[in-house]
Amino acid sequence: DTAVSQTPKYLVTQMGNDKSIKCEQNLGHDTMYWYKQDSKKFLKIMFSYNNKELIINETVPNRFSPKSPDKAHLNLHINSLELGDSAVYFCASSQEGQGGYTFGSGTRLTVV
Amino acid sequence: GQSLEQPSEVTAVEGAIVQINCTYQTSGFYGLSWYQQHDGGAPTFLSYNALDGLEETGRFSSFLSRSDSYGYLLLQELQMKDSASYFCAVRGSGSARQLTFGSGTQLTVLP
Repeated sequence: DTAVSQTPKYLVTQMGNDKSIKCEQNLGHDTMYWYKQDSKKFLKIMFSYNNKELIINETVPNRFSPKSPDKAHLNLHINSLELGDSAVYFCASSQEGQGGYTFGSGTRLTVV
Repeated sequence: GQSLEQPSEVTAVEGAIVQINCTYQTSGFYGLSWYQQHDGGAPTFLSYNALDGLEETGRFSSFLSRSDSYGYLLLQELQMKDSASYFCAVRGSGSARQLTFGSGTQLTVLP
């Protein structure tokens, strides 16, 4: 009965590879997000998306792209991975008018 | 842009009360939230204040003063399991309406 699920939980890959992280929510929320958490635990918004609008944080490299096949899914695709992409990536969802975000359990990406 | 400031670390003993402060700057304001994150875990929503005043949820309370751009999270009757990172977060307006998080406060509860 996981509310926001993301896979894989761990991802180890070499520089230059392309990888995807999947996210699904079963809460019926209208907006989904991707956050990056670095080694100092700083949570940084990357994207937010609902069925009307994609908002991209201007500091996110264009190697990162969100893909949403439907309102319950928001996948993250990363091209040409770099060492600095190593972090924990969290998917989250929310419903307009409600206070809180619900986060997935995170994907720890390690680029070697 | 948006920015938030909160202390990096707080230490307290079991049974005590601790207050974690947060000051913010944002273009537009749609509420101050608090999240808890244990090591290796996901951020978990604790509370949300859209209006001035105190919101109480069990041992945790959250306060907001919009005129001062300030809020705090109050944790009472501290337990060992409360050891975690606590993040304040704000929603702005327009393109800034996603949640922007502070850098987090590491709370250590000692026996």
